[in-house]
Amino acid sequence: GESVGLHLPTLSVQEGDNSIINCAYSNSASDYFIWYKQESGKGPQFIIDIRSNMDKRQGQRVTVLLNKTVKHLSLQIAATQPGDSAVYFCAEPSGGYQKVTFGTGTKLQVIP
Amino acid sequence: GAGVSQSPSNKVTEKGKDVELRCDPISGHTALYWYRQSLGQGLEFLIYFQGNSAPDKSGLPSDRFSAERTGGSVSTLTIQRTQQEDSAVYLCASSWTGGNEKLFFGSGTQLSVL
Repeated sequence: GESVGLHLPTLSVQEGDNSIINCAYSNSASDYFIWYKQESGKGPQFIIDIRSNMDKRQGQRVTVLLNKTVKHLSLQIAATQPGDSAVYFCAEPSGGYQKVTFGTGTKLQVIP
Repeated sequence: GAGVSQSPSNKVTEKGKDVELRCDPISGHTALYWYRQSLGQGLEFLIYFQGNSAPDKSGLPSDRFSAERTGGSVSTLTIQRTQQEDSAVYLCASSWTGGNEKLFFGSGTQLSVL
């Protein structure tokens, strides 16, 4: 079936370095993607989104890249900080936007 | 309220008992979602409400699970005859109109079935 998945379950990054978290999707008709951050004991929080008419979108220290050719998106975090330690999910609406499917998640560990 | 509120935050119950989990979405949000998250896992879709209607119940794991929403606001997720495999964090989220926009999540209810 259609799914959203992540390549790397755990990513360890030195503080100050850049982080890249990857996500693959299988539904070529998908036109909207969202990245969420989930800190321990909390619900996921919206970070950034991108629509399929864009290849790149930037926020504060975060950039999302979308490659529709290979059905891949990535989240880049610049100058990673300890507060960035969390699990990151990509998500994709489906079923006429009634269902939002989440990937397994990538745990980002920032090494001080 | 200012955000999505879920109660209780923690629930410990005995196998075979029924439990009710409550979600108060952000005022004015018409779409409401329930997800289940097992330890170290991703989010498993359970059910979606648009207003008081649930057009997609495909994620409910069994007929022991049910959910309702009243007044286009508060939602309750009921699990009957709980089993140990029901132990998980149950997350609720809401949005203004649906899934083509960001969801706002509550902090979840940690359910432990002994």
